[in-house]
Amino acid sequence: KAGVTQTPRYLIKTRGQQVTLSCSPISGHRSVSWYQQTPGQGLQFLFEYFSETQRNKGNFPGRFSGRQFSNSRSEMNVSTLELGDSALYLCASSQQGREAETQYFGPGTRLLVL
Amino acid sequence: AQSVTQLDSQVPVFEEAPVELRCNYSSSVSVYLFWYVQYPNQGLQLLLKYLSGSTLVKGINGFEAEFNKSQTSFHLRKPSVHISDTAEYFCAVTSSGGFKTIFGAGTRLFVKA
Repeated sequence: KAGVTQTPRYLIKTRGQQVTLSCSPISGHRSVSWYQQTPGQGLQFLFEYFSETQRNKGNFPGRFSGRQFSNSRSEMNVSTLELGDSALYLCASSQQGREAETQYFGPGTRLLVL
Repeated sequence: AQSVTQLDSQVPVFEEAPVELRCNYSSSVSVYLFWYVQYPNQGLQLLLKYLSGSTLVKGINGFEAEFNKSQTSFHLRKPSVHISDTAEYFCAVTSSGGFKTIFGAGTRLFVKA
């Protein structure tokens, strides 16, 4: 099976712009989680989707949003970008999103905000 | 609320020496514990996980971890490291009934020749 894919891999934006990142989970996986990874804060949970529904959300401002499509692919959007949004954004998928399941991570999208 | 503390941000060690990466967690409910590894410019990959049963869990690449409920710890160990083990290691916890995984800050393991 193909692994989790994320596009684009690298992105440069300027403050105030918006950005959309895409994640394609492993075939058959219905749960997709998003994380922000920065040197100072480590890995922080953004949100989790299952069957097109957001089931849980981390402590991020409303500028961060996401959605999931019927084929389980997911997108996350960040509006009005700030310098502090520069980070590696990781997507992870699992079959049902149950607490005991292994998450499979994509390689990430590295976002630089200038 | 859950939290995960990785006690060492960096651990330098010589090749073929043993290593222990420490992880403590806090949670008011039952938890599931994980160790992931991240190689440079890659996503995270599961090393091992504790769900229930035997407190000693064996994972890939010769790693193992021991769950200690009384000390709320889940330390990762390897008896003899290789240069290729140089990476960042993350301890993570998910609580029973939750869809949210909390990660520790990570421990960077440097293996020197």
